[in-house]
Amino acid sequence: DAKTTQPNSMESNEEEPVHLPCNHSTISGTDYIHWYRQLPSQGPEYVIHGLTSNVNNRMASLAIAEDRKSSTLILHRATLRDAAVYYCILASNTGKLIFGQGTTLQVKP
Amino acid sequence: DSGVTQTPKHLITATGQRVTLRCSPRSGDLSVYWYQQSLDQGLQFLIQYYNGEERAKGNILERFSAQQFPDLHSELNLSSLELGDSALYFCASSAFGGSADTQYFGPGTRLTVL
Repeated sequence: DAKTTQPNSMESNEEEPVHLPCNHSTISGTDYIHWYRQLPSQGPEYVIHGLTSNVNNRMASLAIAEDRKSSTLILHRATLRDAAVYYCILASNTGKLIFGQGTTLQVKP
Repeated sequence: DSGVTQTPKHLITATGQRVTLRCSPRSGDLSVYWYQQSLDQGLQFLIQYYNGEERAKGNILERFSAQQFPDLHSELNLSSLELGDSALYFCASSAFGGSADTQYFGPGTRLTVL
C-alpha cells in the first residue's frame, strides 16, 4: 500500500486560508487521493478526493501536482470548527483506506 | 449524520469474553469497511465486504471475524478479548467499494476490556 507523509501539526488563524501539504511519492497510476478529517470524539468525515486534476467542493479545494507525487488541501477560510486531524490517504482499487498519522490543525481565534 | 449506524455505542466487557459489533450501512451502499482506532496504533483498516463477499483484509487478528448479511448490515465479532483490544471501532460504507468512492463513517463503538 502506498504511503503518505504529512506534517504532524499546523496552526492557522481564523478566517485565513490554510494549505495542508501531503507527499505521496510512491503513488500508483490508479490510486485516488482522498482527504478525510476527524473532529474530536467523532468518526472520520470525507473532505475531498481527486485523481489527476484539481478539485473544488463546498468544503475545500484539492491541488494535485502534475507528477501526482504531492497534493495540497486548501481550506479557503478556516473556522474554529475546522480544527481537526486531517488525513491524506491513497485509496487502492478496493477502496480500503490506509490512514497515516495525519495533520492536527489548530485554528486560533 | 452520515447515515451509517453502529450499535452499541459503548461496550464494557472482561478479558476472555466475546462481543459482537453491528453496523448498518447507508441506504443503497453495497460495501462495508471496519476500522479500529486505538491510542497507540491510530486508525487501522481491518476488513472490507462488498455485497456479502469479503473483498479486502487488513491487520485483522485471527480472533476477530466479520460478515455482511443479505440485507447488507455487517457484524464484527471479537473473541478471547484482551486488554489491548480496547479501542474505538468504526464502520464505514460506500456505494461500490472502489477507489473513487466516498466512505461514510458511523459514530463508532467504544469497546473497553477490563
